[in-house]
Amino acid sequence: DTAVSQTPKYLVTQMGNDKSIKCEQNLGHDTMYWYKQDSKKFLKIMFSYNNKELIINETVPNRFSPKSPDKAHLNLHINSLELGDSAVYFCASSQGRTSGPYEQYFGPGTRLTVT
Amino acid sequence: EDKVVQSPLSLVVHEGDTVTLNCSYEVTNFRSLLWYKQEKKAPTFLFMLTSSGIEKKSGRLSSILDKKELSSILNITATQTGDSAIYLCAGQNSGGSNYKLTFGKGTLLTVNP
Repeated sequence: DTAVSQTPKYLVTQMGNDKSIKCEQNLGHDTMYWYKQDSKKFLKIMFSYNNKELIINETVPNRFSPKSPDKAHLNLHINSLELGDSAVYFCASSQGRTSGPYEQYFGPGTRLTVT
Repeated sequence: EDKVVQSPLSLVVHEGDTVTLNCSYEVTNFRSLLWYKQEKKAPTFLFMLTSSGIEKKSGRLSSILDKKELSSILNITATQTGDSAIYLCAGQNSGGSNYKLTFGKGTLLTVNP
C-alpha cells in the first residue's frame, strides 16, 4: 500500500544518454512535484503539476521534461545527461490547489549517477 | 528569492538529552512552515504549522511557529538513537494557488547511546 512510488530506485548511466524516472501516487492527490536533492542534501523544487497541468517550473534546464499522463502519475524525462545531473530525485504529492496549504508526501527517491 | 535557514547544521547529543532545532524563513506569500525527518530515504512529514504560537505535538516531538520573528523551532525530548536523522524545515508559499516548498539545508542530528 505504498503511497508515493518511484521507479527505478537506482539509475547509473553515461553522459549524453536520455533517461526517464516514473512516479505514481495512490493517495488521490491532485498535485505532484519533482524535487532534486544534491550531494549536500539540499532539496530543491523543480516542477509541480496539478491535474496534468504544469503550475510550477523552476529554473531547470530544458533537458528536463516532466510529463503527467494523468493526475496519479508524473514522469521525468532527462535528455543528454550531464555529470551535474547526478543527484537523488524525489517525487511528492499533495492535495489540491485550493483551500490549502497542504503537506506534501514524498516518494523513496531515485538515485541517479551519471558517469 | 525565498530563503529558509536552519541551525545548527549538525548536532551530536547523548540519549536522553533534549534538543531544539531552529528554522528561520523569508518566504513571499507565506502560508505554512513544515518539518520533515529524513533518514536514509524519503523525507517523512512531521508537522505543518500555520498559526503563530500554537504548539503541535507528537510524542516526544513538538514544534511551534512565530510569525512575528519568522521562525520556528522543533523540540525533541528524551532523545533516542532512532531520532538520528536530518531534520528539514520548509516554508510553503502560495503564488495564487501553487503551494511551493522552499527547504533549508537541514540539521543533521546524531544521538549517541
